[in-house]
Amino acid sequence: GAGVSQSPRYKVAKRGQDVALRCDPISGHVSLFWYQQALGQGPEFLTYFQNEAQLDKSGLPSDRFFAERPEGSVSTLKIQRTQQEDSAVYLCASSLAAGNTIYFGEGSWLTVV
Amino acid sequence: GENVEQHPSTLSVQEGDSAVIKCTYSDSASNYFPWYKQELGKRPQLIIDIRSNVGEKKDQRIAVTLNKTAKHFSLHITETQPEDSAVYFCAASGGRALTFGSGTRLQVQP
Repeated sequence: GAGVSQSPRYKVAKRGQDVALRCDPISGHVSLFWYQQALGQGPEFLTYFQNEAQLDKSGLPSDRFFAERPEGSVSTLKIQRTQQEDSAVYLCASSLAAGNTIYFGEGSWLTVV
Repeated sequence: GENVEQHPSTLSVQEGDSAVIKCTYSDSASNYFPWYKQELGKRPQLIIDIRSNVGEKKDQRIAVTLNKTAKHFSLHITETQPEDSAVYFCAASGGRALTFGSGTRLQVQP
């Protein structure tokens, strides 16, 4: 595709619900990243994939957060039992390879009420 | 891990003036330093980047300088225009994920 595509763009979840956020990286991009951006803050790293391998998940804030990229293309970030502090924009990004330019999607805006 | 500090948090300039945003980083292994512009509700967009083997890079009205010894890098925007108003983020990377600064809200007054 022309750019990194994310869905849904906006999601309102009741506290305790599970949510799944999808990312379609740029075609052919090996590296995929998930970031969390709170209002007025810079993006914070969550996790990194190279193809289907999750090489770094050190930024995931708790075991309620889980990410996968089973075929090395589309990725899903799942948040279980959502809490109010999970409210943020979840940005997906991809790059052709490690160390190359990183391109961001428009983000999924999650509000937990 | 890497820590990136960014200053100032807000910057207001008159149209036509220059704007400078500064960042410092902690990990000497970092070798890639991009700058992103983010408008309200939009994705971060890369505006310029520099790698550790280069001290300065320029693209029209935008320039970035890097001082590896002091571990700091700066963004310079000349002849600012109202459409330059946005939040600017610096970032640093050693080859994988980026670590971002906290952002600078630039306001260009017409």
